[in-house]
Amino acid sequence: DTGVSQDPRHKITKRGQNVTFRCDPISEHNRLYWYRQTLGQGPEFLTYFQNEAQLEKSRLLSDRFSAERPKGSFSTLEIQRTEQGDSAMYLCASSADIRLSTDTQYFGPGTRLTVL
Amino acid sequence: KNEVEQSPQNLTAQEGEFITINCSYSVGISALHWLQQHPGGGIVSLFMLSSGKKKHGRLIATINIQEKHSSLHITASHPRDSAVYICAVRGSGATNKLIFGTGTLLAVQP
Repeated sequence: DTGVSQDPRHKITKRGQNVTFRCDPISEHNRLYWYRQTLGQGPEFLTYFQNEAQLEKSRLLSDRFSAERPKGSFSTLEIQRTEQGDSAMYLCASSADIRLSTDTQYFGPGTRLTVL
Repeated sequence: KNEVEQSPQNLTAQEGEFITINCSYSVGISALHWLQQHPGGGIVSLFMLSSGKKKHGRLIATINIQEKHSSLHITASHPRDSAVYICAVRGSGATNKLIFGTGTLLAVQP
């Protein structure tokens, strides 16, 4: 257990439905990342928060995807009108401020999304 | 071409063998990470390198910044080492985001 939790661990949904995932980072970490991993591939960066500010979004993050970190603690990732191509493992990671020279990212267990 | 390439993609070894996994990258980096992922998804950071060599137990990681290449070595491999090993680089930008290789699936047979 890395200290980063994600909920739910598994989600099966029908195409066209909306889904929301939650990530609770390590409490003192101010950086939070979302990644997506498809079968047989390495994770790909989706978006990044420093505290409550979303500072970078990948081009992979279409208009159907939105992420928030309202109080700089937990984060949510919502996918609207899901498509079969959204089926993947969604990983969350957190890290402390790089200025502290501690930039190891701690990963959550992931949420596996299956879109039927 | 991916920015981070790993080889081999799959590796089967006998227990006790010395294992090497290679990683090459084509972008400027501020650090390189080796990660381990077990079935079911959990990713654990093994090493973070910006130069030289690090050792932790039976694991050794090296990096050559000039050649843009890193290796992960496992000495006296054991079946519990079976996992996917992923190389990831941190770019020189401000976000600290990681760019991942596709991983090496290692199976150590008893």
